[in-house]
Amino acid sequence: DTEVTQTPKHLVMGMTNKKSLKCEQHMGHRAMYWYKQKAKKPPELMFVYSYEKLSINESVPSRFSPECPNSSLLNLHLHALQPEDSALYLCASSQTPQGRGEKLFFGSGTQLSVL
Amino acid sequence: EDQVTQSPEALRLQEGESSSLNCSYTVSGLRGLFWYRQDPGKGPEFLFTLYSAGEEKEKERLKATLTKKESFLHITAPKPEDSATYLCAVDNNAGNMLTFGGGTRLMVKP
Repeated sequence: DTEVTQTPKHLVMGMTNKKSLKCEQHMGHRAMYWYKQKAKKPPELMFVYSYEKLSINESVPSRFSPECPNSSLLNLHLHALQPEDSALYLCASSQTPQGRGEKLFFGSGTQLSVL
Repeated sequence: EDQVTQSPEALRLQEGESSSLNCSYTVSGLRGLFWYRQDPGKGPEFLFTLYSAGEEKEKERLKATLTKKESFLHITAPKPEDSATYLCAVDNNAGNMLTFGGGTRLMVKP
């Protein structure tokens, strides 16, 4: 199994809603990532979990809250989002954390629309 | 600070018309240069990793090459199904995260 699975594929939420994005991989990878991608732009790193501990937070607003319950799962909890947070949210994983020349495996993403 | 610049931003080709995409980079110690393909609304799909100048890798109609300053993705006799955005990214030896280029949107017309 070389897949990173993300759910849901599409999500529409209001600014007062609370929702969660989920990501799962069964490749034994010990690093997992959340990226945000706006249309016609490259992915922007949000968070990195290394060995189930948060190792990087790229100054992301607190309305985004990541969680890594175990080595296979990664969640992104959303609360009080703004319309400008509408984007494709990508989960990725790698065997070990970046900086060692390893490729990332990306999920298909969650297309989020905030109304 | 690492920088990655891809050109052109967009490229229109006729089916069968070969061309190249460019990725210029500056990095503090290259650990790897990656090429990804991304279809609209999907996550990037890994194509190649290149580690050192002079290295080349091929997959079907795609061939990636690497020099000390840039990488090329050569597309030979493209088909409409090759239409996608191609992303280049670099990984350095300072433990920093991947730096992505802006991507090249390739459109192949039948």
